Amino acid sequence: GNSVTQMEGPVTLSEEAFLTINCTYTATGYPSLFWYVQYPGEGLQLLLKATKADDKGSNKGFEATYRKETTSFHLEKGSVQVSDSAVYFCALTYYGQNFVFGPGTRLSVLP
Amino acid sequence: SAVISQKPSRDICQRGTSLTIQCQVDSQVTMMFWYRQQPGQSLTLIATANQGSEATYESGFVIDKFPISRPNLTFSTLTVSNMSPEDSSIYLCSVERRGQVRYEAFFGQGTRLTVV
Repeated sequence: GNSVTQMEGPVTLSEEAFLTINCTYTATGYPSLFWYVQYPGEGLQLLLKATKADDKGSNKGFEATYRKETTSFHLEKGSVQVSDSAVYFCALTYYGQNFVFGPGTRLSVLP
Repeated sequence: SAVISQKPSRDICQRGTSLTIQCQVDSQVTMMFWYRQQPGQSLTLIATANQGSEATYESGFVIDKFPISRPNLTFSTLTVSNMSPEDSSIYLCSVERRGQVRYEAFFGQGTRLTVV
């Protein structure tokens, strides 16, 4: 079946550090890929998405590129802020099918 | 986009009791989804609620424990019945926009349930 794997957390960084959160997936065909973010005490919000190979999703300084050859969708940000502290979920879906979420990666950014 | 309101945002309940969580969407949607997020875990789909038909439950979840109502295209409820401490989780309501190219999941803020 379809699955999503993320790097284990928690990830702790200093403000302005470079962030990478790895995400790889197992799926047949070409799913759409997503990153969702969950701030403390809140539901999930869409951060960015990519619907086909080599697409790059970007939002709020975060980026992720759909790499079909490595079945990956790694999340990156050049300079993190304290306000980026949250749990990040990688997810995939196909048209007409339910979403599949990764286990989540908790990010803590220290001032 | 879709704006989803969930009530209550949190509750502390006694074991053996039941809690009903409400989910209101600002537009009509065909499918609504209920997820459980156990402490430190990812999201697990409980069931899909379609208006006018019985909810479809995922493996490991049953209607007697998690009855769902879907009276119209903008509203749904999830009841957690006969609660035990193991039911302590965040429960999330979700809707999806599904199309050939553009689809996305939208979430309510969640209901944080603690069973004592």
